[in-house]
Amino acid sequence: DAGITQSPRYKITETGRQVTLMCHQTWSHSYMFWYRQDLGHGLRLIYYSAAADITDKGEVPDGYVVSRSKTENFPLTLESATRSQTSVYFCASSVNRDYEQYFGPGTRLTVT
Amino acid sequence: GENVEQHPSTLSVQEGDSAVIKCTYSDSAPNYFPWYKQELGKRPQLIIDIRSNVGEKKDQRIAVTLNKTAKHFSLHITETQPEDSAVYFCAASREVTGGGNKLTFGTGTQLKVEL
Repeated sequence: DAGITQSPRYKITETGRQVTLMCHQTWSHSYMFWYRQDLGHGLRLIYYSAAADITDKGEVPDGYVVSRSKTENFPLTLESATRSQTSVYFCASSVNRDYEQYFGPGTRLTVT
Repeated sequence: GENVEQHPSTLSVQEGDSAVIKCTYSDSAPNYFPWYKQELGKRPQLIIDIRSNVGEKKDQRIAVTLNKTAKHFSLHITETQPEDSAVYFCAASREVTGGGNKLTFGTGTQLKVEL
């Protein structure tokens, strides 16, 4: 589990601010994912990446930007944070498609 | 896109009893069905998964069944123990254009095992 980390673990920010959540994995997994978890909605996919420099939208991508210049890193940026983006964000990685996704510890983000 | 419905949202059982959680999917061809367990304040962790070419899989006290005709799959936990108390998520995956897979999760089942 120490192979995938997220930072920060907790973040409070104000509406309109730009926020970047970091995700780092040490397994050289090809696939990486960002989810948000909200009560009543389970886990919803924001963006995913099949390899470095390859990203695609998930179920709820609006208001978020991702990049993947290196295999091990997959940062998620909220360009102009809104209160509706208050959530717990999980990063995950997997060695290949349709294989176990390993989740990071999560980042709890509060937008005031 | 894929839609996954999960029932029940909460489930309370006595220690030693069995627990069953059911999920249905709407897409025509998911090919991978994982189940994740999430304890309070922790990250989701895979407990069992099944692929579309298999109808049933078992691992000690947990088992998963898949009925492709009816588009539903279920998690069965036997001889429940207090440490089984957690939120359980089902998910369905399908391949997407350009490679990769997208997992769609159910909304979760809060399982409580009472002494």
